[in-house]
Amino acid sequence: GIQVEQSPPDLILQEGANSTLRCNFSDSVNNLQWFHQNPWGQLINLFYIPSGTKQNGRLSATTVATERYSLLYISSSQTTDSGVYFCAVPTQGGSEKLVFGKGTKLTVNP
Amino acid sequence: GAGVSQSPSNKVTEKGKDVELRCDPISGHTALYWYRQSLGQGLEFLIYFQGNSAPDKSGLPSDRFSAERTGGSVSTLTIQRTQQEDSAVYLCASSKRGSNEQFFGPGTRLTVL
Repeated sequence: GIQVEQSPPDLILQEGANSTLRCNFSDSVNNLQWFHQNPWGQLINLFYIPSGTKQNGRLSATTVATERYSLLYISSSQTTDSGVYFCAVPTQGGSEKLVFGKGTKLTVNP
Repeated sequence: GAGVSQSPSNKVTEKGKDVELRCDPISGHTALYWYRQSLGQGLEFLIYFQGNSAPDKSGLPSDRFSAERTGGSVSTLTIQRTQQEDSAVYLCASSKRGSNEQFFGPGTRLTVL
């Protein structure tokens, strides 16, 4: 089945810094989702981005489907950005269940 | 509108007991998914329901796990004869027909003593 790899596994930043998180996937996909899991465990939808670039405030994401990767950019990070960031892609056909990467744990220090 | 809701938020049970976890999807969403998040295994798919179609049960780890979805809305995940390795956060997600963007509930944290 499809494999999803995220890097880096851990990232520590000072407030105000910028960061880039990467997601590689092993097969072609028809969409990709980025989530933020907050300290209470809730998965928050950030982007639904099969290709191209989207922006939402300080966050933006780019997916290059032909090269099988996606990037999540966080600018001017805040302590509230801390948590784990997951990317996930659906299996093709059938249920399109999501296959998740192992996540990037982000810690933003004041 | 309301998001996906799950209950209970926390459940502590003794090994060998049965448990039921509930999921209320977003109104109008036809697809419903159950996932499990555990320390060693990350986020893994359990089961999928879409309308009146037969569910995809390919992710259920053993025959102690079952799920049903009544009236195309609320779903219940049942774990019989719980084991300590069943301890995890159980997450439910839903999506609307024609889209595979999934929205997640807050999860149920299950602890088996």
